[in-house]
Amino acid sequence: AQTVTQSQPEMSVQEAETVTLSCTYDTSESDYYLFWYKQPPSRQMILVIRQEAYKQQNATENRFSVNFQKAAKSFSLKISDSQLGDAAMYFCAITTRDKLVFGAGTILRVKS
Amino acid sequence: EPEVTQTPSHQVTQMGQEVILRCVPISNHLYFYWYRQILGQKVEFLVSFYNNEISEKSEIFDDQFSVERPDGSNFTLKIRSTKLEDSAMYFCASHPTRSNEKLFFGSGTQLSVL
Repeated sequence: AQTVTQSQPEMSVQEAETVTLSCTYDTSESDYYLFWYKQPPSRQMILVIRQEAYKQQNATENRFSVNFQKAAKSFSLKISDSQLGDAAMYFCAITTRDKLVFGAGTILRVKS
Repeated sequence: EPEVTQTPSHQVTQMGQEVILRCVPISNHLYFYWYRQILGQKVEFLVSFYNNEISEKSEIFDDQFSVERPDGSNFTLKIRSTKLEDSAMYFCASHPTRSNEKLFFGSGTQLSVL
């Protein structure tokens, strides 16, 4: 079984600053994908970034990047140059074959 | 970009009533899912569906729940006799292959059981 732990229920960042959201996971599988999803107040699930476990290079997507530490089973999300529109709930998730398993989420607040 | 469509966006029902939540997955997708999110909690897997049958289901997905793909486009979730604790946002999702490179989520149906 897979588990995902997000230890930060809530984080705050000043506009234009950088923030890192933490995520650790556990799986016995060797082949898996990791994801960060953003959920704004509309509650739509928006894919932010994904990482294949077999790739050593950290994924980046514009202002979003991850720090993937496979041995430590850690998958943190860094948001650079934070914007007001980044304020949302962020979920870390893992999938092996057939389903996503989500963490409890981190609420990100962005201060102007 | 293609979208997964869910209707209605909000459904209110009385406890004990049957509800059907509807989803139209992306047309060339083969794998379909329902997830649930109780307000303020994490998103939870309910069921996966492939080749006209359930491939996996969670403990939440008991005998009160069923899924169906009645035609080539719709994918439905039925709750036979709703309970107060079924109140949640229900997300439909799909993807074209089993590789799970990207799961496409619909915008959700908020179910309120009174």
